[in-house]
Amino acid sequence: EVQLVQSGTEVKKPGESLKISCKGSGYSFTTYWIGWVRQMPGKGLEWMGIINPADSDTRYSPSFQGQVTISADKSISTAYLQWSSLKASDTAMYYCARGEIWFDRWGQGTLVTVSS
Amino acid sequence: DIQMTQSPSSLSASVGDRVTITCRASQRIGSYLNWYQQKPGKAPKLLISAASSLHTGVPSRFSGSGSGTDFTLTISSLQPEDLATYYCQQSYSSPHTFGQGTKLEIK
Repeated sequence: EVQLVQSGTEVKKPGESLKISCKGSGYSFTTYWIGWVRQMPGKGLEWMGIINPADSDTRYSPSFQGQVTISADKSISTAYLQWSSLKASDTAMYYCARGEIWFDRWGQGTLVTVSS
Repeated sequence: DIQMTQSPSSLSASVGDRVTITCRASQRIGSYLNWYQQKPGKAPKLLISAASSLHTGVPSRFSGSGSGTDFTLTISSLQPEDLATYYCQQSYSSPHTFGQGTKLEIK
């Protein structure tokens, strides 16, 4: 069974760093791109960027370029989304999803809360 | 960025109704249009890819059409489990932007 399993809920303070993960199983991890999608409280979906785990080719939305880093470790079938200095406005649910042109499988989401 | 505009933003319909949601792109995107369903408190799920291809396991009451700039998601006979927010997404050019969503309520 194809699965994307994300790391758990995070509660952080402004200025702290964070790295959340998304582990793929049930398929060849390097065959499909992995994307990240933000959903702020009560709001819609925002496409953040995608990575090709085979060669780490990465594309960012201009809205998120420089704000986050997307990476992947194909040896452990895991993709990552990281922040070097969180802001309160980063509070959101973050989803990873499989695919380049469409997202056919989604992780369960990681809730990130940033509050002083 | 390509802007995706959905209408309506919300709608209420009865079980058995035919429901149509539209999505308009700010420029031509061919058939690079996907539809997702997000039920309350859950992750989104792919319904339709490439404007009209039904994803595996999706009920046949869902269908998609359109090309260029105007697209439609149709539910032929609304069921109670279709309570959700529906999003379109273009994948013609990066960033692959989503529409703002259409919240579907059951009367």
